[in-house]
Amino acid sequence: KAGVTQTPRYLIKTRGQQVTLSCSPISGHRSVSWYQQTPGQGLQFLFEYFSETQRNKGNFPGRFSGRQFSNSRSEMNVSTLELGDSALYLCASSLAGGVYGYTFGSGTRLTVV
Amino acid sequence: GDSVTQMEGPVTLSEEAFLTINCTYTATGYPSLFWYVQYPGEGLQLLLKATKADDKGSNKGFEATYRKETTSFHLEKGSVQVSDSAVYFCALLHQGGSEKLVFGKGTKLTVNP
Repeated sequence: KAGVTQTPRYLIKTRGQQVTLSCSPISGHRSVSWYQQTPGQGLQFLFEYFSETQRNKGNFPGRFSGRQFSNSRSEMNVSTLELGDSALYLCASSLAGGVYGYTFGSGTRLTVV
Repeated sequence: GDSVTQMEGPVTLSEEAFLTINCTYTATGYPSLFWYVQYPGEGLQLLLKATKADDKGSNKGFEATYRKETTSFHLEKGSVQVSDSAVYFCALLHQGGSEKLVFGKGTKLTVNP
């Protein structure tokens, strides 16, 4: 079966711009989470959605937002990009929550210049 | 708050050597524990998990036992292969609470032929 699909794979944006990343979870998975991975901070939790509702949010500024659609697909948006937002953004899906283990996508590599 | 500490490496071994990557955690209650692996250019893959004390997770020759008394979840493999070269992440998740995975910093393993 198809895995978690993230688009695009690579993005280059300029400071001050905004960006939208997309994630299609495994069919039937209703929980979608987003993580930011950087060399300095490692893997940090952004937010988690279940059935279109945000259940949890990490310690990121309000410039980071997300949503989930009725088909479980999810998007995250970052507004007013800063250089420090350069990172690998990973999406993960699960049937109902992380205790079952998450399946991660290959990520979107965002570079802010 | 919750945290995970793992040996950062890098770890370099010869093929067929024994592998141990130490992982300890700080958390309230009884979290679930995971090992994820990340191959170059890819997202994370779930390697194994344990959801309660004394559980042993195992997969592809890797094992880890949930030790509540020492708050540890060390990863072991008896005989590593070149194909095991990757970055390994230890993580915890609270059951029934926040769906936030808390990751260690990761340990890069290189196996030489």
